[in-house]
Amino acid sequence: RKEVEQDPGPFNVPEGATVAFNCTYSNSASQSFFWYRQDCRKEPKLLMSVYSSGNEDGRFTAQLNRASQYISLLIRDSKLSDSATYLCVVLGGSNYKLTFGKGTLLTVNP
Amino acid sequence: GAGVSQSPRYKVTKRGQDVALRCDPISGHVSLYWYRQALGQGPEFLTYFNYEAQQDKSGLPNDRFSAERPEGSISTLTIQRTEQRDSAMYRCASSPSRDPADYEQYFGPGTRLTVT
Repeated sequence: RKEVEQDPGPFNVPEGATVAFNCTYSNSASQSFFWYRQDCRKEPKLLMSVYSSGNEDGRFTAQLNRASQYISLLIRDSKLSDSATYLCVVLGGSNYKLTFGKGTLLTVNP
Repeated sequence: GAGVSQSPRYKVTKRGQDVALRCDPISGHVSLYWYRQALGQGPEFLTYFNYEAQQDKSGLPNDRFSAERPEGSISTLTIQRTEQRDSAMYRCASSPSRDPADYEQYFGPGTRLTVT
């Protein structure tokens, strides 16, 4: 089983749609979780951290379920500018290594 | 302010040659990370420095790969006797914190390495 697995995608949605990405991780000792965004041919950038209680940043909501080892990202009222690859990232429990998922490509269409 | 910079941005080399990839982190950043990213994949961890100390090199694929950060600032990733399978985007990231849970990592634009 891969350390971090994401929805394979791609996702194509119209503007204004709500879209959800799912991610699972295999190391139950993992302590910290993030979503990064990567635009085409650009470097990854932090979108948001994921907290146990769930957290929201504008149109973006991240959830963590430790029991199921599952992370999600919800984007509401999607914009054309949300088109990018979304990377699920997990920090291992006993080291400083960030493990990235393969990424899920989102295209928001006008 | 200036972000993370990497050079060269593109490198084409022949199989068997050595290459050195340079990373200039954001000034004052304590931690520096090297990743390799294949097309359609997320970044894969290679190695990590706190100041000049290499804390973890578990991600380096084999002993042809090495990295250094002698003065705790600029870092060089060296690949000896390059092979075609080494072709990828090599990315550097830096962070103001020792703990990757504390603060985001800022990625550079990467060096696209092609081994022919």
